Amino acid sequence: DAGVIQSPRHEVTEMGQEVTLRCKPISGHNSLFWYRQTMMRGLELLIYFNNNVPIDDSGMPEDRFSAKMPNASFSTLKIQPSEPRDSAVYFCATGQGNSPLHFGNGTRLTVT
Amino acid sequence: EDKVVQSPLSLVVHEGDTVTLNCSYEVTNFRSLLWYKQEKKAPTFLFMLTSSGIEKKSGRLSSILDKKELFSILNITATQTGDSAIYLCAAPKQGGSEKLVFGKGTKLTVNP
Repeated sequence: DAGVIQSPRHEVTEMGQEVTLRCKPISGHNSLFWYRQTMMRGLELLIYFNNNVPIDDSGMPEDRFSAKMPNASFSTLKIQPSEPRDSAVYFCATGQGNSPLHFGNGTRLTVT
Repeated sequence: EDKVVQSPLSLVVHEGDTVTLNCSYEVTNFRSLLWYKQEKKAPTFLFMLTSSGIEKKSGRLSSILDKKELFSILNITATQTGDSAIYLCAAPKQGGSEKLVFGKGTKLTVNP
């Protein structure tokens, strides 16, 4: 099993640009979570899906953030337009039932 | 509001020392508490604790939960430089893998 796969590993962009982060979950996992990690705030849950359906997006900071899961094997997190304060490491994590979450290696986003 | 608080925020020790990391929580409908280790990339799962007073052990790492006092500790004996990492404590709001609330972590540095 390749684990949770995220791309890109690093993204550097200018303020105002659109950013799309991608995640491929572990096959068979029916829950998918997007987290953001910063030094100041630690790991924060942005949104999670169950069986491809968004269940709770209360952690999404503002309308500039959106997430989709068009099928069981792919999810995206989009930021449009991006701002410097969005700079962080974004993690995708997936799970099945009561099993612990498995995290991807994250995307380090830098917005200048 | 559900929260998980870890202490200390950082810790520097020498190889061979024993360390204790602390995690307290206030979570509605508490079911379990999880410990993760984060080195340079993805957090990796260490332990899931559901019952008070029952120690979970893996090599030099062990953890225990106190549901009366609402805290958990993670012990590492005979520390090695490879134990250097951020240790994260988390609790799901509804049990299982849903909506993990994370503490900010304890950054452990083990010097040779």
